[in-house]
Amino acid sequence: GNSVTQMEGPVTLSEEAFLTINCTYTATGYPSLFWYVQYPGEGLQLLLKATKADDKGSNKGFEATYRKETTSFHLEKGSVQVSDSAVYFCALSGESNTGKLIFGQGTTLQVKP
Amino acid sequence: DSGVTQTPKHLITATGQRVTLRCSPRSGDLSVYWYQQSLDQGLQFLIQYYNGEERAKGNILERFSAQQFPDLHSELNLSSLELGDSALYFCASSNHPGQEVPLHFGNGTRLTVT
Repeated sequence: GNSVTQMEGPVTLSEEAFLTINCTYTATGYPSLFWYVQYPGEGLQLLLKATKADDKGSNKGFEATYRKETTSFHLEKGSVQVSDSAVYFCALSGESNTGKLIFGQGTTLQVKP
Repeated sequence: DSGVTQTPKHLITATGQRVTLRCSPRSGDLSVYWYQQSLDQGLQFLIQYYNGEERAKGNILERFSAQQFPDLHSELNLSSLELGDSALYFCASSNHPGQEVPLHFGNGTRLTVT
């Protein structure tokens, strides 16, 4: 079945460092891919998405490219801030046109000043 | 603030009991989604409603049921509770016809079964 695997955390970086959080997936067909962010004490927020191969999703300085050949959707940011400290979830759409998302386990990012 | 309101924030109850979790979606959103987040299972999709109709179903237990009312709020009913049902239950909403994914999540209801 469909699944998502994220790199294990926590990831600890200094402010202004480069961020990569790895995400790979297993899926039949051509799912859409998503990154969500969960700040402490809050619900998830959609960060970015890509709906087909080679699409690049971007938002708030974060980027991720849908790589069909490597079944990956790695999240990157060139310069992280303390305010980026959160849990990041990679997800794929389990069924088209439904909210049936399959989430990875989440990666905790801690950014130190 | 996502605009999605979940009540109560915390719920402590005993095994065998029944509880109801409530969700008010963001204004104008027609889709409501329920997710369960636990340490061992992670985030699991339970069920989705669109404008009062069931749209998609995940691995929702038979002891669990949900509905969406005409005013678009939704309730998740959990019965015959077990210790393993302890989790954070999220509601989310969206309004993107044709591409329905949860955009706005509430802060969750933390259920503790003792």
